[in-house]
Amino acid sequence: DIMMAQSPATLAVSPGDVATVSCRASQSVSNNLAWFQQKPGQAPRLLIYRASTRATGVPARFSGSGSGTEFTLTISSLQSEDFAIYYCQQYSRWWTFGQGTKVEIK
Amino acid sequence: QVQLVQSGGGVVRPGRSLRLSCAASGFSFTTNAMFWVRQAPDKGLEWVAFISYDGVTKHYADSVKGRFTISRDNSRDTLYLQMNSLRPDDTAVYYCVKERGGYGHFDHWGQGTLVTVSS
Repeated sequence: DIMMAQSPATLAVSPGDVATVSCRASQSVSNNLAWFQQKPGQAPRLLIYRASTRATGVPARFSGSGSGTEFTLTISSLQSEDFAIYYCQQYSRWWTFGQGTKVEIK
Repeated sequence: QVQLVQSGGGVVRPGRSLRLSCAASGFSFTTNAMFWVRQAPDKGLEWVAFISYDGVTKHYADSVKGRFTISRDNSRDTLYLQMNSLRPDDTAVYYCVKERGGYGHFDHWGQGTLVTVSS
């Protein structure tokens, strides 16, 4: 199975600052990587697919990069509604998620 | 717009069975693969089951293989998850998830339904 490791587990950021979340795959997943945002009591929401393509309606402050085994989600100029848990997921071989990164207010 | 409306959760004793349903609308259900994904309380996301658009191909996570069965009724635009021999560690919110056709990634999620396995 392909394992996905996210870092950090928790990220404290001030509103208006940049947040960077990393995701590493145990083997290459090419660009078959998605990012999801989850708020308390809600279902996850797709942000990014194919490592760097924003989903419909996702603000431009969200961007994804990387390929192979190393990926990054960057949120520029954090807004209040961006404080949430973020998950990466590979869909190259079966489907596995990272353990999540909680972005909280500093 | 895409809607995935789930039903069928609840509290069940260990060893018993439960069936979840997911009614789809707003897209061509018959041309999209579907998934079930679960999330244990205060834990991360775990893929549970996959079914191809035509119901022919199915895959299961090792944790549920032999106990859970995914199925679909394309005439009713509905996805199912039959869960047998339930265990306490199956306690989770279960999500019905749509695959974006031809792309492979998950693009829409149902609202989730809580399954609690407890004596």
